[in-house]
Amino acid sequence: QQPVQSPQAVILREGEDAVINCSSSKALYSVHWYRQKHGEAPVFLMILLKGGEQKGHEKISASFNEKKQQSSLYLTASQLSYSGTYFCGTGIQGAQKLVFGQGTRLTINP
Amino acid sequence: DGGITQSPKYLFRKEGQNVTLSCEQNLNHDAMYWYRQDPGQGLRLIYYSQIVNDFQKGDIAEGYSVSREKKESFPLTVTSAQKNPTAFYLCASSGGGLPSSYNEQFFGPGTRLTVL
Repeated sequence: QQPVQSPQAVILREGEDAVINCSSSKALYSVHWYRQKHGEAPVFLMILLKGGEQKGHEKISASFNEKKQQSSLYLTASQLSYSGTYFCGTGIQGAQKLVFGQGTRLTINP
Repeated sequence: DGGITQSPKYLFRKEGQNVTLSCEQNLNHDAMYWYRQDPGQGLRLIYYSQIVNDFQKGDIAEGYSVSREKKESFPLTVTSAQKNPTAFYLCASSGGGLPSSYNEQFFGPGTRLTVL
């Protein structure tokens, strides 16, 4: 079953923060985050595996709460380059495939 | 440079025709995937393959077929049985061993298919 992302869309000014959530009805073992610019291929951001770890690089980080079957992506002090659609992809234990959410469109204005 | 190539970038097809989309990777990855993306939608899995000569149906396999005769190649055929084939098609691959859902996926640039 497809994970649910929220919000569906968000508009920010440069320098503001954003949180994107990804919730599943299934027990998760892995959560992937990707960003896609219009008309381009999705680009990998990070993977979180079961264990509740928080990962990040620069001003983009994520957490994984396997009890709540939920992951959140945090974008701090957003830059114009952060604009795009963000997708989470979820995997259950031992899965050979991911199921992707419907995406969250993030627009950063100057 | 390692990566995934898809061709063609744009493809036009008449109704009732089969068409094959190419996907090649030189990353030495075992797993490969085909996704379909419709405007404003997420990525839906069509087929995936973990090893040569083996592949599994994804969530929307009807009207599509694949082959995996070589590790680096995973072509997708959109058949006339696919009722609404106009979409953006993405190929991806992943390495690092099993299970594949624990590994980063690398995506190709995509093929935009339009049925006239």
